[in-house]
Amino acid sequence: DADVTQTPRNRITKTGKRIMLECSQTKGHDRMYWYRQDPGLGLRLIYYSFDVKDINKGEISDGYSVSRQAQAKFSLSLESAIPNQTALYFCATRDDRVSTEAFFGQGTRLTVV
Amino acid sequence: QKEVEQNSGPLSVPEGAIASLNCTYSDRGSQSFFWYRQYSGKSPELIMSIYSNGDKEDGRFTAQLNKASQYVSLLIRDSQPSDSATYLCAVIRNFGNEKLTFGTGTRLTIIP
Repeated sequence: DADVTQTPRNRITKTGKRIMLECSQTKGHDRMYWYRQDPGLGLRLIYYSFDVKDINKGEISDGYSVSRQAQAKFSLSLESAIPNQTALYFCATRDDRVSTEAFFGQGTRLTVV
Repeated sequence: QKEVEQNSGPLSVPEGAIASLNCTYSDRGSQSFFWYRQYSGKSPELIMSIYSNGDKEDGRFTAQLNKASQYVSLLIRDSQPSDSATYLCAVIRNFGNEKLTFGTGTRLTIIP
């Protein structure tokens, strides 16, 4: 089983719908991140969290919200999906006490029609 | 000014040659630097990390860091077709500001 698991892997949704992307990890890391990737734009940071009480906005947080339900779970929500949120979404984790390397989930391909 | 900048490419290199990938960053307080490789539709995977000025070698890969110039590079020796991928440069500040920021990536193609 993967250490960082994202669900769903693929999702097609309609404009205006609320959708949640979930990320869970078994690595025991405290830092968790959500990124979106669009062709030619690299990975852009949406939100990041250092623990369940600490949530920080990234560079493109508008239209998104997050919830850190437990150390192992970090969910990303689109309250009212729009077509330009169609992208590949990645969750990542890291633990600065061990190494600064980030570990990524398999990605969620989201299409908003 | 973008926090992390890379030439988007594409960069084409003959098989067996050296591929050179470059990255600049804007925050002088940055402490940790990474190169990730990403195949199309897949997750990024760590290739190299570097934290102090100079060179760090791991097999065919060498990372170079120059904090004074705010520059980090990746050299791939004896390039193989399997090295064809997008290479992402990433930077983190540490010490209370642990936003992990990526560049836009450089697409590398190794020509057999």
